Formats: sequence, structure tokens, C-alpha cells
Amino acid sequence: DTGVSQDPRHKITKRGQNVTFRCDPISEHNRLYWYRQTLGQGPEFLTYFQNEAQLEKSRLLSDRFSAERPKGSFSTLEIQRTEQGDSAMYLCASSPRGSYGETQYFGPGTRLLVL
Amino acid sequence: GQQVMQIPQYQHVQEGEDFTTYCNSSTTLSNIQWYKQRPGGHPVFLIQLVKSGEVKKQKRLTFQFGEAKKNSSLHITATQTTDVGTYFCAGPYSGTYKYIFGTGTRLKVLA
Repeated sequence: DTGVSQDPRHKITKRGQNVTFRCDPISEHNRLYWYRQTLGQGPEFLTYFQNEAQLEKSRLLSDRFSAERPKGSFSTLEIQRTEQGDSAMYLCASSPRGSYGETQYFGPGTRLLVL
Repeated sequence: GQQVMQIPQYQHVQEGEDFTTYCNSSTTLSNIQWYKQRPGGHPVFLIQLVKSGEVKKQKRLTFQFGEAKKNSSLHITATQTTDVGTYFCAGPYSGTYKYIFGTGTRLKVLA
């Protein structure tokens, strides 16, 4: 299957610990998004990459969150000093090259639980 | 900031009945996308509308984009149990790549 993959699928951590999630987009998709989704809510935008450049970042992201896409392929999202409020599903999506507003293909997500 | 609201929040229908969800943005959208998320799953792209007043159909699904490009609707004719899930609209914020998702409409279909 050549869809978007995310690792790990589940993560349980203690408050104050750092966690890192990985997203592998569909091959040759140059656009990559990170979202956070809590129960009963729609996905909430976190950040956007075009190739390796981080072009958009939500103001909702505190200094504890950082994302990278070093070679324009896979991406990582790191949360430092996790808090219970960080518990959510973290979704990654990728889009192909093309005109503005392309389809976003979502991965299965990483479910984070902070104890 | 920009907000995207959807109504209703929940909808229970008998199988075979029609269903409509409405999406309203506080600002004009350059395009609007619709996604479906099954329980326990991830959002799956359904369609994108770009032009003012645009109407697109996918089998039993009809999508509309308002003339002012601030609202949209999704109508499902003769619902089936496979239509169960949450339907989200999403639009980019002020010409950026920052997509704002609506609050979603959760559809349950009773057989």
C-alpha cells in the first residue's frame, strides 16, 4: 500500500516526557500537513510543509511543539514536556504537486495519551 | 479568527431517508473540501468545490458551493448504512495553506 503512514499508531507517555511522531507521505507528494484531532472535533491545523520548507504554522502551537521535514520526504512532529491537554489524535496528510487546493490524503494517525 | 461551523451537529435518519449537512464560514473561501470520517478512522477526501455556485454530484451525494463562497452543503439521497460517519467541510484560511475544518456533522443511519 502506498498511502500515508504514521508511526507509532499509539503512544502512552507520562506528563513531562518528550514524544516524537513520524509521518511518511505518499511518494512524490511535496505538500505535508500536521493536524490534531480531539474526540468529537474536526482536525485542527498545526503546520504545513512544502518540500522541506515549513510555510505555515498555527499560532496554537506553543514552543513545545516542533516539526521538521529535513529532506522533503518524511516528517517528524515532536512535543516536549507533554501535558495532559496534549492527549489527542495527531494526523498527517499529504498532497501532490499541482494547483492550489489539492486533495489531502490522511494517514491513520498517532493516538497520544498523556498520563 | 476564521470559523467554519456545520449544522446539524448530529443527525439520525432511517435508512432510505435523505440527509443534508450545512457548512458556513465566517470569511470567503477560495475553495471548499468535504471529507468523511468513519468511526475510528481517518478523514477521507470526498470532493473539492472551487467556483461560486458550483454543484457537483457523486452518485447519491450532491455538493453545493454558495454564490458568496461562504457556505456549502452536502446532500445524500436515500441514505444507506454505509453512509454512517462524520462529514467535515474544510476551507483554506485567507488564501493560505492553513485549512480550517468545520465542526462536523455526525450521521447515524438506522436500518
